[in-house]
Amino acid sequence: NAGVTQTPKFQVLKTGQSMTLQCAQDMNHNSMYWYRQDPGMGLRLIYYSASEGTTDKGEVPNGYNVSRLNKREFSLRLESAAPSQTSVYFCASSEPGLMNYGYTFGSGTRLTVV
Amino acid sequence: AQSVTQLDSHVSVSEGTPVLLRCNYSSSYSPSLFWYVQHPNKGLQLLLKYTSAATLVKGINGFEAEFKKSETSFHLTKPSAHMSDAAEYFCVVTLTTSGTYKYIFGTGTRLKVLA
Repeated sequence: NAGVTQTPKFQVLKTGQSMTLQCAQDMNHNSMYWYRQDPGMGLRLIYYSASEGTTDKGEVPNGYNVSRLNKREFSLRLESAAPSQTSVYFCASSEPGLMNYGYTFGSGTRLTVV
Repeated sequence: AQSVTQLDSHVSVSEGTPVLLRCNYSSSYSPSLFWYVQHPNKGLQLLLKYTSAATLVKGINGFEAEFKKSETSFHLTKPSAHMSDAAEYFCVVTLTTSGTYKYIFGTGTRLKVLA
C-alpha cells in the first residue's frame, strides 16, 4: 500500500547514545517533514525538506540533524540522545502543488531516552 | 504569522449528545484548515479539510466543521457522540514557505465519551 513508512516503531536509548530514525515514502512527493509529539503540546516541526537536496529547520531543531537521502527517504538523526528527546516522532510527506490533499503521515516512532 | 488555538484541552460528553471542539486560527492570508484525529497509540487520520470552497465541510464518521472568517474559527461538531469517538483531535492551519507548505498544529483536544 502506498504511504509513509517509519522504522523503527519503538526504541529505547541510553543518554548519550546516537540513532537514526528512517522514513520512506512511495508517493513521489517532493516535500517531507519530521515532527515530534509531546503531551499537551501537539505536534511540533523539527525539520523539513521542501524538495530533494534541501532541508530547513523547523520550530524545535536543536539536538537533531536530518538527511534527505533521495526523493523517497528522509532520515532524522539524534547524535547524543537526551531524556528531553523522549517523544513520539512522526514523519510526513506532501506535494506542494497539492496542498488541498494535505499530509500523509507515517505511523510514528516511540522513542524513550533513559 | 499563522497559528491555531484549540480552546479546550479536554472535553467530556455523554454518548448520544452533541460534540463541539473549538478552534480559532490566525492567518495573514486565506488559510487551509484541517482537523485530524488520533486514537490512543495510533497515527493521525484526516477527518476533514477546508480549502476555500464551501464553508461548511463534511468529514468522515459524521463530523463536520464550519469556516467562519469573521470569527476566525473552524469548530468541529458532531450531532451525536459515539464511544468510538473518544480520541485526541488536532486543528491544523497551513503555512506556505520556501516552496512548500507546513502544518501548524494546535495543542490538541482530548475527547472523552461517557456511557
